Amino acid sequence: EAEVAQSPRYKITEKSQAVAFWCDPISGHATLYWYRQILGQGPELLVQFQDESVVDDSQLPKDRFSAERLKGVDSTLKIQPAELGDSAMYLCASGQDRGGETQYFGPGTRLLVL
Amino acid sequence: AQSVTQPDIHITVSEGASLELRCNYSYGATPYLFWYVQSPGQGLQLLLKYFSGDTLVQGIKGFEAEFKRSQSSFNLRKPSVHWSDAAEYFCAVDTNAGKSTFGDGTTLTVKP
Repeated sequence: EAEVAQSPRYKITEKSQAVAFWCDPISGHATLYWYRQILGQGPELLVQFQDESVVDDSQLPKDRFSAERLKGVDSTLKIQPAELGDSAMYLCASGQDRGGETQYFGPGTRLLVL
Repeated sequence: AQSVTQPDIHITVSEGASLELRCNYSYGATPYLFWYVQSPGQGLQLLLKYFSGDTLVQGIKGFEAEFKRSQSSFNLRKPSVHWSDAAEYFCAVDTNAGKSTFGDGTTLTVKP
């Protein structure tokens, strides 16, 4: 069964450093989502792609976060510089289309900023 | 803007007992509604979803949920809980544009 791949699974960094997370969605899925999940809370959407285009990045802190999906396949989420409050689980999900579609989640990247 | 409330942060049930997890949503139009389960340190897995039609939805692992428009609720149920059901459960609402909003989750503990 096809799965969403994410790497790394765990990342420890110091504040002010740059970090990057990678996501490879299920083959053929046009939509890709990045979520941030703070401990004890539900996932919060950071950015949504439809193919290579950003559909929604209203909750993305653009002064330090960036996301790209250049060829409409895999995606990278970057934080520069990292802050203590960025410690969280970063989840990637993909789907075949928008509008109530089923989202398939990857295992996530657990980030700890020291 | 849509929102989701899961009133119970933590629920404990005995193995074999029935389960109901509550979810209330706020959205102006007919929503798409989902329940996901998350095991520790893992991503989310879809249990079931409601788009339209029959308000009682069957999902995987013996779960079901009932959409009640008058109460803006989408509660998750299981008649007999297994120890392996211990996890965190998230309710989510989705718009036509695919923007999902999740509740803060309910942690389920299963007593032997």
